Formats: sequence, structure tokens, C-alpha cells
Amino acid sequence: GQQLNQSPQSMFIQEGEDVSMNCTSSSIFNTWLWYKQEPGEGPVLLIALYKAGELTSNGRLTAQFGITRKDSFLNISASIPSDVGIYFCAGQPSNTGKLIFGQGTTLQVKP
Amino acid sequence: NAGVTQTPKFQVLKTGQSMTLQCAQDMNHEYMSWYRQDPGMGLRLIHYSVGAGITDQGEVPNGYNVSRSTTEDFPLRLLSAAPSQTSVYFCASSYSGPREAFFGQGTRLTVV
Repeated sequence: GQQLNQSPQSMFIQEGEDVSMNCTSSSIFNTWLWYKQEPGEGPVLLIALYKAGELTSNGRLTAQFGITRKDSFLNISASIPSDVGIYFCAGQPSNTGKLIFGQGTTLQVKP
Repeated sequence: NAGVTQTPKFQVLKTGQSMTLQCAQDMNHEYMSWYRQDPGMGLRLIHYSVGAGITDQGEVPNGYNVSRSTTEDFPLRLLSAAPSQTSVYFCASSYSGPREAFFGQGTRLTVV
């Protein structure tokens, strides 16, 4: 089946640093979404992308839908302690009704 | 506005028992789905539904059944629980298609 490869698996950074993570797939996707999950909670949507090449921001977060439709990245600028959590990419493979998820990137921020 | 409500929050089952995880949403969303989350594996799609009366299999459907008799509810049934089904289960819904999905708070299931 389709797979999403998300990297890195984990990051431990200093407060104020910028963060970048990405997702790649072996097939074309119609939609890319980025979620954040905190302990004991369900994932919460951060950014949704629907067109190849689309670049969207949400505060300090910026995400892009890759031109090839097989990848997406998420950047977090000037990280703060409350950015801690697990970040997931998710996407809808073309010609399916499914939304599948990457393995997640665990982010830790040192004050 | 409750959003997506999952019950129970925690459950312990013995191997071979059956049970139903409940999911209800009050946003009139057409699309609903079930995922399981295991350490290091992200969220894996079990089953999904594009509307009342229509369901389809996801990536890991074996051992699970679903039905969608109403727009609001999408229960997940474990037919004969196995230790491999120990996981955290999330239900999600979205207005139309697998797009901006809203998640419930999860059900933590342990099968002993």
C-alpha cells in the first residue's frame, strides 16, 4: 500500500532555533496536511495544502505542497517550549478516499 | 459544540472478547474514519466511511468491523480481541472527503 516517509524521526533543539521536517511518498497525493499531537490528545490540524506548489503559513509555521505532488515540508521558525509534541504529515493518495499518515517527528525544545 | 466524542476512554479486554468503540460527531460531517496509533508507527487507517451506509477498508482492517447507519455515528467493532490489537484508537471526521479531519481524544485499549 501507499507509504509516507517522514523525517527526521526526532529532533532536540534549543529554544529560538528554526525547525524543518518533511514527508515523501512513492505516489502522487491530492492533499497534504500537517498535524500536531500532544500527550494524551488527538492530533490537531495545523496546515492544509491542496495544490502543487502551494505555500501556506500559520503563524510561525510554514508548509509547502511539493511540485511533484510526492512531498511536503513543514518549517517552524523561532521555536518555543510549547512547540513540543509529535508532528505528523498526512496525505490523500490520488484516486483514493483514504487519508494516510507518516510515522511522526517528535520535537523537543530546550529552554 | 462537542466535536468528535469517543467512548470509552480506557478499556481492558481479555483475549477473545468482543467490544464496540463508539464514535459520534455533531458537525454534520460526511467523512469519518478510524485509526490506530502504535509507538513509532504513526496513525494507521483501519476503516473509513464517505457517508451513511458506505464504508471501506483502510490499511489495517483485519479483526475490525464498522457500519455507518447514521451521519453522526461510526462505531468500530472488535470481533475477537487479540493482544496485537492493544493500541490507542482514534476516530476522526471531516466535512467532505479525507481533508481537514478533526480527531477525538482517543480510546486506549489493552488486550490481555
